[in-house]
Amino acid sequence: DTEVTQTPKHLVMGMTNKKSLKCEQHMGHRAMYWYKQKAKKPPELMFVYSYEKLSINESVPSRFSPECPNSSLLNLHLHALQPEDSALYLCASSQYSRLAGGTDTQYFGPGTRLTVL
Amino acid sequence: QQPVQSPQAVILREGEDAVINCSSSKALYSVHWYRQKHGEAPVFLMILLKGGEQMRHEKISASFNEKKQQSSLYLTASQLSYSGTYFCGTEVQGAQKLVFGQGTRLTINP
Repeated sequence: DTEVTQTPKHLVMGMTNKKSLKCEQHMGHRAMYWYKQKAKKPPELMFVYSYEKLSINESVPSRFSPECPNSSLLNLHLHALQPEDSALYLCASSQYSRLAGGTDTQYFGPGTRLTVL
Repeated sequence: QQPVQSPQAVILREGEDAVINCSSSKALYSVHWYRQKHGEAPVFLMILLKGGEQMRHEKISASFNEKKQQSSLYLTASQLSYSGTYFCGTEVQGAQKLVFGQGTRLTINP
């Protein structure tokens, strides 16, 4: 089973709202990722969690706040977003954050399509 | 640094072959290939490792040329289900992340 689930599937929010995206995996993976993907562009890494600790923040604005409550769950808290933040937000997981294990790769969830009005 | 994929787009008739290339200016440890259909998540196809063998997924195969830091994805006898955008994700040794190329949009017509 290589399933990563994300909720909600779609989210529309105003610039003053606070919302959260949720990601869950039950594969025993110890690394989880948030990506942002704009239309016709590749996924762009935002954050990496390894063993529930934030290991990479790709200079993401503070209006995006990640949280990893446990090894299966990853949240992305959103506050005071801008219309240009509208995008598909993808969560992914891998067995380890260092992929150089030979067989490890990232498995993506279906994403949350976010629209900021 | 983002790898460069070529071509940016390909249109084929069902049954034709295609090659998609992914080049990096950095020394790579591995290359990961994904396919993404419109409105869906990227789906993992295969990994190419430094020093590793050519890999295959159904009628799709790939290779990794360490000297050129280039990976190629070969789609043989393409099927309608192969349509989508193909991304390569490159891993530099010791990094905790993949950096994705800009994608190659593949359209298969009947």
